[in-house]
Amino acid sequence: AQSVSQHNHHVILSEAASLELGCNYSYGGTVNLFWYVQYPGQHLQLLLKYFSGDPLVKGIKGFEAEFIKSKFSFNLRKPSVQWSDTAEYFCAVSGYSTLTFGKGTMLLVSP
Amino acid sequence: SAVISQKPSRDICQRGTSLTIQCQVDSQVTMMFWYRQQPGQSLTLIATANQGSEATYESGFVIDKFPISRPNLTFSTLTVSNMSPEDSSIYLCSVEDVRAGVGEQYFGPGTRLTVT
Repeated sequence: AQSVSQHNHHVILSEAASLELGCNYSYGGTVNLFWYVQYPGQHLQLLLKYFSGDPLVKGIKGFEAEFIKSKFSFNLRKPSVQWSDTAEYFCAVSGYSTLTFGKGTMLLVSP
Repeated sequence: SAVISQKPSRDICQRGTSLTIQCQVDSQVTMMFWYRQQPGQSLTLIATANQGSEATYESGFVIDKFPISRPNLTFSTLTVSNMSPEDSSIYLCSVEDVRAGVGEQYFGPGTRLTVT
């Protein structure tokens, strides 16, 4: 069975600070990796994804994530956060067919 | 992308009753998914609903408690039966973009259920 672990449940940053959210997964085969984001009052939406190829993937709004296969990790990064990045971030992994989510990280960016 | 709507957006129900949640998609999709997000928890897949076949339930979820209908390629319902306060959650439906790859899903706005 696949599982996802997110290291932080709550993160508080000031604007312009750098962000890194940790994500580790457990799965025995080839995986697709995702970060989903839910802004306050909005639907859950895809932020970025990794299927294959370059392990450094770029998503919307300046976010990027790096797949490190040896560490079973897919950490999310952004060099300089903005107040509008306040949201809940979910790491997810998909193996054969279903999507498994981590518990989410609530990011609060103070202006 | 797909646009998904859910009804109702929220409801407060008494224990022992049932609630049916509707999910409508603006395009035809093969696979629809139902998730539960309990307070402070992550999204947990309840079942996968394919049109024309029985829904496939994940471990810990049974058809008697969460019957699902999938009458066509744009619509599905999830019923939460014989509710208890432990069923208080946000229930979300989603669809998969098969052209993009397994796991890339579009989500509805969710139905916030409170059971008293």
